[in-house]
Amino acid sequence: RKEVEQDPGPFNVPEGATVAFNCTYSNSASQSFFWYRQDCRKEPKLLMSVYSSGNEDGRFTAQLNRASQYISLLIRDSKLSDSATYLCVVNIGTNAGKSTFGDGTTLTVKP
Amino acid sequence: DAEITQSPRHKITETGRQVTLACHQTWNHNNMFWYRQDLGHGLRLIHYSYGVQDTNKGEVSDGYSVSRSNTEDLPLTLESAASSQTSVYFCASSVGLAEIEQFFGPGTRLTVL
Repeated sequence: RKEVEQDPGPFNVPEGATVAFNCTYSNSASQSFFWYRQDCRKEPKLLMSVYSSGNEDGRFTAQLNRASQYISLLIRDSKLSDSATYLCVVNIGTNAGKSTFGDGTTLTVKP
Repeated sequence: DAEITQSPRHKITETGRQVTLACHQTWNHNNMFWYRQDLGHGLRLIHYSYGVQDTNKGEVSDGYSVSRSNTEDLPLTLESAASSQTSVYFCASSVGLAEIEQFFGPGTRLTVL
């Protein structure tokens, strides 16, 4: 079993739709969690960190469920520009920040 | 502005040749990482460093080596390139805390013929 697992998709949704991705992790000692966005094989960039209390940034909401060991990303009112691959990243909390990346979920938003 | 750069951006080489990919960051970050990305495998950690003179093996380190002689650079060497090492290589850096994001370079597309 992979340490971090994501549904690869692709998710094909119309503009304006709401879409949610889940990511499960196997190490219960994991302490920090992130969602990265990657456009067409360019470098990944941080989308948002995921906090225990959940967090929201505009149309994006991230949540953490420690009991079930998963994190989620909700995108509301999808835009064409949201089309990308979304990478789930988990860190076990060592001092120096070595992270494990999921394989990514591909989203395509269509007009 | 501080940044992280990689060179070359594209490289074609032959099986058995030694290849070195450069990574340079100007953030003065302690941590630096090398990943490879292949279709269907996402990002896999090759080597990482927590500071000068420190190097560690990642998930897929066989056939690769790194050295950290200063804070800014972490070159990745393929000692004898193999076709299985055809991939996109990303370098990343972070400050040093688990909660802090990694910043990625633009990537190097390596083809081994």
